Amino acid sequence: GAVVSQHPSRVICKSGTSVKIECRSLDFQATTMFWYRQFPKKSLMLMATSNEGSKATYEQGVEKDKFLINHASLTLSTLTVTSAHPEDSSFYICSAKTLAGYYNEQFFGPGTRLTVL
Amino acid sequence: GDSVTQMEGPVTLSEEAFLTINCTYTATGYPSLFWYVQYPGEGLQLLLKATKADDKGSNKGFEATYRKETTSFHLEKGSVQVSDSAVYFCALPNDYKLSFGAGTTVTVRA
Repeated sequence: GAVVSQHPSRVICKSGTSVKIECRSLDFQATTMFWYRQFPKKSLMLMATSNEGSKATYEQGVEKDKFLINHASLTLSTLTVTSAHPEDSSFYICSAKTLAGYYNEQFFGPGTRLTVL
Repeated sequence: GDSVTQMEGPVTLSEEAFLTINCTYTATGYPSLFWYVQYPGEGLQLLLKATKADDKGSNKGFEATYRKETTSFHLEKGSVQVSDSAVYFCALPNDYKLSFGAGTTVTVRA
């Protein structure tokens, strides 16, 4: 139980294009989803918190117009990297909290490797 | 806010060696504590957790005991395997989010 998927697992795009990454909770409902960015050999950096039906809360320093987050349902959140540039290349990971179960436990997706040429 | 500090490594071991990764926390209360593992190219998986002082979390041969007297949650495994090669993160809840340690890269050689 508590499986989170991400799609795509890898994406390569040209500079200036936009890329959408999906995060789905497959067997549970998630009121809250989180988006992280991870640089090579580094820890996770929380980018934003996404609550179903409301606007995402962005961490300090994260450009909300560049990283658009939509949490349209209890099982789906999307991250769109707009006008991507090479410096946006990174590993993006989402996680989700369950409605039931332990309040502070998060379940993580497998990650999406974004490469911007 | 609440935070964790973990030894950064990298750590390189031979198979069947003993592994310890230190993690200490700073918190106003007694939060739950977690260890997550990230295998190469993958997302994070919860390895084990402890929800209160003196609890011992265990999974896949790994153990960690929540010690409030030393504010620690050290991860241990008695005999590592090559398949344990991964990055390990200590974490605790901090308001609505998780605070992660820097991560410890563990490489186990056959």
